[in-house]
Order: sequence, then C-alpha cells, then structure tokens
Amino acid sequence: GQQLNQSPQSMFIQEGEDVSMNCTSSSIFNTWLWYKQDPGEGPVLLIALYKAGELTSNGRLTAQFGITRKDSFLNISASIPSDVGIYFCAGHPLQAGSYQLTFGKGTKLSVIP
Amino acid sequence: NAGVTQTPKFRILKIGQSMTLQCTQDMNHNYMYWYRQDPGMGLKLIYYSVGAGITDKGEVPNGYNVSRSTTEDFPLRLELAAPSQTSVYFCASKTTTGGTLSDSNQPQHFGDGTRLSIL
Repeated sequence: GQQLNQSPQSMFIQEGEDVSMNCTSSSIFNTWLWYKQDPGEGPVLLIALYKAGELTSNGRLTAQFGITRKDSFLNISASIPSDVGIYFCAGHPLQAGSYQLTFGKGTKLSVIP
Repeated sequence: NAGVTQTPKFRILKIGQSMTLQCTQDMNHNYMYWYRQDPGMGLKLIYYSVGAGITDKGEVPNGYNVSRSTTEDFPLRLELAAPSQTSVYFCASKTTTGGTLSDSNQPQHFGDGTRLSIL
C-alpha cells in the first residue's frame, strides 16, 4: 500500500521554541491532513490542505501542501506545554480514491517547561 | 453534539472469546471507518463503509467483521480473539456532502478509541 514517511519520529524541545515536522510520499496525494493525538484520546484534526502550494494557519500552527504534491510540513511556533502529543500526517493518495486515508507513523512531541 | 462515540473504552478478553466494539455517530455522516493503532505505528484501516448496507475491507481485515444496518452505527466484531489483536481501535466518520471543499476530501472525525487487550 501507500507509504508516508513522517519525520522526525520524536522531538524534545524547550518551551517557546519553534517546531517543524514533515511528511513525504513517493506518490502524489490530493489531500494532506494534520492530526494531533493526546494520550488516551482519538486524533483531532488540526489543519486540512487541498491544493498544491496551499499554506494554511490555525493559531500557532502552519502547514503547507508541497508543490510536488508529494510532501507537506507542519510548523508550530512558540511551543507551550499543551502542545505535547503525537502529530500525524495523513493524506488521500491520488490513485486510491477518496475513501481511504494513509497515515504517517507520527511525530511524538515533548515540550520541556 | 456528541460526534463519534465508542464503547467500551477498555476491555480485556481471553484468547478465543468474541466481542463487539460499538461505534455510533450523530453527525449523519455517510462514511465510517475502523482503524487499529499499534504502539509507534500510524493507524491501519480494518474496514470501512460508504453508507448503510455497504461495507468493504481495508488494509488489515482478517479476524474482524463489520455491519452497517443504520447510518449512525458501525460495530466491529472479533469472533475468535487472538493476542495479535491487542491494540487500540478507533472509529471515524466523515461526510461527503455539502461544504465548499471537494466532497471526497472531507476530513475524518475520530472517536476516543477502545483499548483492547487479549490474554
């Protein structure tokens, strides 16, 4: 099946620092989604991207849909302790149709106060 | 508006037992999904449904069954529980109607998960 390579796998950062994580694929995606998962809960949608080159913000979060349609990144500015969690990228591969999402393995973020 | 509700939140089963994981959504979404999440991994699709009466296999369907008799409910059944099915199970739903976005690309909304251990 489709593979999404998400990096880094984990990050330890100081409160106040900026964070960047990304997802890449060997094939074209027509949608990129970024989710956050807190312990014991389900993933919650942060940002959805639908067009190549699209740059979308949600508060301190900014995500971009890569021009090649094979990658996306998520930036978090001025991190705070509640940013802790696992961040997943997900997308709809162009060839797979609209029904199924492919997920990355997640980036585990730890914020040191 | 409760969104996607999963029950139970936790369950321990013995090998060979059966159980049903319940999922219900009150958003009138036509698409529903079941995923499993293993430690350090992303979510893998077990089964999905595009509407009442229609179900299809995902990436890892073996050992599971589903049904979709109503729009709201999408139960997942384990007939003969095996240790390899120890995981956290997530149900999700999405709509494909309305909005300004391409219908097929609406994001999925997730429940809080069922943590299942098989011993």
